[in-house]
Amino acid sequence: SAVISQKPSRDICQRGTSLTIQCQVDSQVTMMFWYRQQPGQSLTLIATANQGSEATYESGFVIDKFPISRPNLTFSTLTVSNMSPEDSSIYLCSALSWTGATGELFFGEGSRLTVL
Amino acid sequence: QKEVEQNSGPLSVPEGAIASLNCTYSDRGSQSFFWYRQYSGKSPELIMFIYSNGDKEDGRFTAQLNKASQYVSLLIRDSQPSDSATYLCAVKNSGYSTLTFGKGTMLLVSP
Repeated sequence: SAVISQKPSRDICQRGTSLTIQCQVDSQVTMMFWYRQQPGQSLTLIATANQGSEATYESGFVIDKFPISRPNLTFSTLTVSNMSPEDSSIYLCSALSWTGATGELFFGEGSRLTVL
Repeated sequence: QKEVEQNSGPLSVPEGAIASLNCTYSDRGSQSFFWYRQYSGKSPELIMFIYSNGDKEDGRFTAQLNKASQYVSLLIRDSQPSDSATYLCAVKNSGYSTLTFGKGTMLLVSP
């Protein structure tokens, strides 16, 4: 399994500002992902963080709003730009860890953002 | 649009009973299926995965898969109050390494 650390764990932000969330995995992983979980909802995939290249965004998410970096196989950042109250959510970093032919997705503890 | 459907619940069962959680999915090409448990305020925790039709048992948990019916279920035997949580069904999207999650079923186990 992979142990994933995220920071900040929570923050309160002002409208119009940006915040960067950091994600550190304790081992090299091939794939990392960023999810959002809005209150009372399930997880929605924002993007796949690709090492050394631009992230792959899902429908409804764009790079200008959610720039993502992944400089190496154990670290990624997600920035939530020009925040509005609608961005209040939990943002979860995840990593795909392989055991033989079995790929399992593990999650960090999440970053709870409140935008005022 | 790939969809994963779950009853939102809550599903209430008494302690010691069997809890049955169900999930259907739309992507007929999906091959891998996962069950996550999420306690309130916590991140999802992987508890089971299944790839082949039939049953897979792990302790008190049994996952069941029927690809022809596009149906996955999770049975929890001898339910405990500590099993009270939201259970998320996730399906690996065919041709990709990404997962689509259902909205989850809240399980409440009463002492």
